Amino acid sequence: QQQVKQSPQSLIVQKGGIPIINCAYENTAFDYFPWYQQFPGKGPALLIAIRPDVSEKKEGRFTISFNKSAKQFSLHIMDSQPGDSATYFCAAVSGGYNKLIFGAGTRLAVHP
Amino acid sequence: NAGVTQTPKFRILKIGQSMTLQCTQDMNHNYMYWYRQDPGMGLKLIYYSVGAGITDKGEVPNGYNVSRSTTEDFPLRLELAAPSQTSVYFCASTLSTDTQYFGPGTRLTVL
Repeated sequence: QQQVKQSPQSLIVQKGGIPIINCAYENTAFDYFPWYQQFPGKGPALLIAIRPDVSEKKEGRFTISFNKSAKQFSLHIMDSQPGDSATYFCAAVSGGYNKLIFGAGTRLAVHP
Repeated sequence: NAGVTQTPKFRILKIGQSMTLQCTQDMNHNYMYWYRQDPGMGLKLIYYSVGAGITDKGEVPNGYNVSRSTTEDFPLRLELAAPSQTSVYFCASTLSTDTQYFGPGTRLTVL
């Protein structure tokens, strides 16, 4: 049973396009929602994160949209570049000790 | 700072063998974690520690053991390796804040 559901599994866009990755959760106790970026052969690295009292957060070309009532959140990458090609994971944290519950991941390819 | 380091990078084990995956961080982080990553499954938490001498189970602890005798080190032990433990293992740490810092991973194959 996956507590954080992520879609799509893979995504191909052209350079300059705006890929959108979606995540949904059930547990209303989740109180922190990070996105991690992973390049092949590397560990995941924090990209951007949001708390449920905020509906949108932007950092550079990356934006998280958060819909608390629908229990959904999404990552938008503006003006995508080939260097953005990576696997993206949404995650959720509940309670203490910052334990992460990950979505299954989205493999993004940005073609020149 | 080297951050989070993991050894070995790769390892092949035979069924029933044992091994220890090493994880060290030099950021003086109190929280440390072990995850496994399987294709199409995301990362799943195996064990975590909130300080030296304190460890607890995550989502998928069966077949693994951990210890935390120092702030810096958090080794993961596989006692009787099984093919189901073929995976990529990541160690992470944080200073009680939200950002977890991940190591480069250990790719383990059990044959």
